[in-house]
Amino acid sequence: NAGVTQTPKFQVLKTGQSMTLQCAQDMNHEYMSWYRQDPGMGLRLIHYSVGAGITDQGEVPNGYNVSRSTTEDFPLRLLSAAPSQTSVYFCASRGQGAVTGYTFGSGTRLTVV
Amino acid sequence: AQSVTQLGSHVSVSEGALVLLRCNYSSSVPPYLFWYVQYPNQGLQLLLKYTTGATLVKGINGFEAEFKKSETSFHLTKPSAHMSDAAEYFCAVSDYNNNDMRFGAGTRLTVKP
Repeated sequence: NAGVTQTPKFQVLKTGQSMTLQCAQDMNHEYMSWYRQDPGMGLRLIHYSVGAGITDQGEVPNGYNVSRSTTEDFPLRLLSAAPSQTSVYFCASRGQGAVTGYTFGSGTRLTVV
Repeated sequence: AQSVTQLGSHVSVSEGALVLLRCNYSSSVPPYLFWYVQYPNQGLQLLLKYTTGATLVKGINGFEAEFKKSETSFHLTKPSAHMSDAAEYFCAVSDYNNNDMRFGAGTRLTVKP
């Protein structure tokens, strides 16, 4: 039972480059989210999805795109990387109802130079 | 919108001493409250959660938290700290109507021998 799998674990990008952070879960969870973690700021929600084909913006969506073509996968795309996007990114999923809480992936550490 | 404030970005205790990590929330509807723990270079793990019912909630590793509506608080406690408790702890708030979870800035717990 893999849970939530994120790839890659580490990435260095140059300013202006694009890339996709991958996230996959094998728990048949409907709800998936992307957070970024920055020192002293906790986790901030970037985008979330309540099911295949449905996505919505969170607190800090600018510079990021998402899509949800299947229940299992929820990739996060950086269109044109900026140094301000240097962060640790976490993907999370949960079952029906906010009461269940999220299962988190192990994170992707991204550095933009 | 919901929000969480964690008082104290760093807390240091001696091994065997009481652990108290403070969390206050803001929510216009009945909240679901969570505590997560993050060990170095790992994702977040759910410690405990409050949804409805009993206001004293017990979690893993001997931690517990009490929901106090009048004080809008959900402080995390453990009677006797272990070295293995050293980690960062995040309080989070959600509710049944939201599809996202909002996190506090985190409290780093250090346990001294």
